[in-house]
Formats: sequence, structure tokens, C-alpha cells
Amino acid sequence: NAGVTQTPKFRVLKTGQSMTLLCAQDMNHEYMYWYRQDPGMGLRLIHYSVGEGTTAKGEVPDGYNVSRLKKQNFLLGLESAAPSQTSVYFCASIASGASYEQYFGPGTRLTVT
Amino acid sequence: RKEVEQDPGPFNVPEGATVAFNCTYSNSASQSFFWYRQDCRKEPKLLMSVYSSGNEDGRFTAQLNRASQYISLLIRDSKLSDSATYLCVVNGRGGSNYKLTFGKGTLLTVNP
Repeated sequence: NAGVTQTPKFRVLKTGQSMTLLCAQDMNHEYMYWYRQDPGMGLRLIHYSVGEGTTAKGEVPDGYNVSRLKKQNFLLGLESAAPSQTSVYFCASIASGASYEQYFGPGTRLTVT
Repeated sequence: RKEVEQDPGPFNVPEGATVAFNCTYSNSASQSFFWYRQDCRKEPKLLMSVYSSGNEDGRFTAQLNRASQYISLLIRDSKLSDSATYLCVVNGRGGSNYKLTFGKGTLLTVNP
């Protein structure tokens, strides 16, 4: 099993550009999450999904959109990137009814200039 | 009070030292507690769950005090490989069992 994978690993955007980050998991997990991690701020939840076709806002959802059309994939979109969105983005997943251990992807380092 | 608050650190200790990290949480409805470890420029990974009776995994001991809403992690006989950021993690924000709240982390450096 590959676990949780993220695409791309690195990206540089100009202000106003758009992009989509892809998260894929092959563990048949129900719940998936997108976090951002900034120095001194810890991990902050952007959006999450409790199942295929469902999404919900987390702690810092503004400027981001998500979709979960397939159970194994969770996409994070930035419609108009801003320098404040420069961060490391982590995707994670959990199996329902489990110990709530989150499995994380390797992260995407995004710089917006 | 912040949802999950940890010692700000950083901690610099010699090999073989014992080091303790503390964490407090604000949501009394939280039911599950964890310590995660994050190496530099890597993703967080589960170190251990924290049980009400306390639990031990080799050199690592975790304790939970529900009355004080306090969690601790003790590392004995520190190794160079223990150098990492340690994240205190709590679930149950707003009663949700499947949403985890992460502390900002405490950086540990073990020196030779």
C-alpha cells in the first residue's frame, strides 16, 4: 500500500493563479482532511470530509475549496492564490471506527509570490 | 484558553537525559489523546496514544489527567534519533470524535 500520497510535492505560484492539490489514499478510509502548517502556528484544519460526496469547513477555510468525488481522493483548490497561502499543506485520513490515528501524506510545499 | 497548549520549548538535552513534555487541553469532552512526532520537513506520525491509566512504550511514557485536563510525555534515556518536534493531539472538538486538534509542538534536540 502506498498509504497517503500528495501531488505535487512543491509548487510556486504567482498571486492570482489557481491550482489544485491532489490527495489520494489506498486504505479505504472514510475520513480525509486538509491541513496547513505555518511556522509557530501548528497544524490548522482547512476542510475535511467524512465520506464520498461530503465536505465541511475546518478552522481556516477561506480562500480554499475542496471536493471528494471519489472515496480515495480529496482535492484542495486555490482559486486565486495569495501570498498568505504560502505554507506546507498536509493531507490526512482516518478509518471510521478506528483509533483515530491520522495517516498523513508527505506534504506539498507551496510558495505564492 | 487555547484548545491545546504545549510547552513552547525548545528543549536541548544531552544523550541519556530524561525529558518531559506537558500539554493542557480546554475541551473537557475530548475522549482521545495522542502524541505525534514530526521530523524536520516531514509529515507528523503517531508516536503513541494516551490512555487514562497511563501507558508505556519502551522509553516513552504517556500520562493523562482528565480532572486537570493535562497530558504528559516522558522520554527516558534520550537518543540522538529522538530529536524531533513532539505534537500533543486531542480529539473531540465540538463533540466530534473524528476531528483532531494539534498543539503547536515542542522541539527537542538531543545532543551527543
